[in-house]
Amino acid sequence: EAGVTQSPTHLIKTRGQQATLRCSPISGHTSVYWYQQALGLGLQFLLWYDEGEERNRGNFPPRFSGRQFPNYSSELNVNALELEDSALYLCASRVGGGQYFGPGTRLTVT
Amino acid sequence: AQSVTQLDSQVPVFEEAPVELRCNYSSSVSVYLFWYVQYPNQGLQLLLKYLSGSTLVESINGFEAEFNKSQTSFHLRKPSVHISDTAEYFCAVSDRDGGYNKLIFGAGTRLAVHP
Repeated sequence: EAGVTQSPTHLIKTRGQQATLRCSPISGHTSVYWYQQALGLGLQFLLWYDEGEERNRGNFPPRFSGRQFPNYSSELNVNALELEDSALYLCASRVGGGQYFGPGTRLTVT
Repeated sequence: AQSVTQLDSQVPVFEEAPVELRCNYSSSVSVYLFWYVQYPNQGLQLLLKYLSGSTLVESINGFEAEFNKSQTSFHLRKPSVHISDTAEYFCAVSDRDGGYNKLIFGAGTRLAVHP
């Protein structure tokens, strides 16, 4: 079975722009988790979607938002980009109590 | 709130030597525990997990970890490391208060295996 997929692999944006990152969970799995891995800040929980609804969010400002589509794929949107938003953004599916991650999208804000 | 401490930011070791990467978590509520490995420029791979049952869990590539509830620890061990084990290792926990959904990660331990 296919794993978690993410696109694009790399994304370069300018400060103030908006970024859209995409994730497809493992087939048939309804939950999607987003994490940010920023230099010096480690891995931080961002958002959790399940059955199309946002279930929980981490300590991030409202300009980090997203949605989950009927096919359970998900989009993470980051508005008004700031330099410190540069990071690897990871998406995960939950399987049997564990979370399995995609390869990530590296966002660079210049 | 739950937190995870990985006591060593870097662990250098020679090939075929044993290694232990230490992990402690803060809360004593019911927890699930995980170790993830990240190779350069890649995502996270689940190495092993403790959900319940036997406190000793093993991975397919020779790593093992032991859940110690009294010491709130979940240390990762391997009796003989290979060059290919060079990577960053993250300990993570999810707990009942969070519905076992949100993963809280440690800061990571960079394992460097030298020939």
